[in-house]
Amino acid sequence: GNSVTQMEGPVTLSEEAFLTINCTYTATGYPSLFWYVQYPGEGLQLLLKATKADDKGSNKGFEATYRKETTSFHLEKGSVQVSDSAVYFCALLRTGAGSYQLTFGKGTKLSVIP
Amino acid sequence: GAGVSQSPRYKVAKRGQDVALRCDPISGHVSLFWYQQALGQGPEFLTYFQNEAQLDKSGLPSDRFFAERPEGSVSTLKIQRTQQEDSAVYLCASSEGYGKNIQYFGAGTRLSVL
Repeated sequence: GNSVTQMEGPVTLSEEAFLTINCTYTATGYPSLFWYVQYPGEGLQLLLKATKADDKGSNKGFEATYRKETTSFHLEKGSVQVSDSAVYFCALLRTGAGSYQLTFGKGTKLSVIP
Repeated sequence: GAGVSQSPRYKVAKRGQDVALRCDPISGHVSLFWYQQALGQGPEFLTYFQNEAQLDKSGLPSDRFFAERPEGSVSTLKIQRTQQEDSAVYLCASSEGYGKNIQYFGAGTRLSVL
């Protein structure tokens, strides 16, 4: 079946450090891939997405590239800020057979310290 | 415009009680999803509606869980005879519909079963 594996947290970085959160997936066919972010006390928000191989999603300085050959969608940011402190979820969308369910990883908690 | 709204935000139930959780999707969104998020885990799919039709209920963990969306807008997730293992955050999401694969999430209902 479909599954998403992302690096375990928590991750603690100093402000302006480089961020990488690894995500790999297992799926049949060609899923769409997503990163969602959950700030404290808030719901999940879409951060970025990619719908086909070699697509790069980007938003708010974050980037991730859909790598079919390595089944990966790693999240990167060149310089993190305190306001980036949140839990990040990698997810894939399974389509077909009348359903569009998201499959999520377990989440990676990021803390950025001044 | 308003996002996905869920109520109540918090619910405490005694073991064996029935509970009902409400979701108001974004106006005009035809697809609606329910997910369950246990503490420290990623959300897990429960069920999916397109308009009033429940097209996928493969994620419902037992026959104590029931969801409905009778007029194709507001949805209710009902849990009968609650058990301690039902304690989790229940997330609702909506999307524009067939092929529109960005799901927008509500803040969730945190259910605690004592």
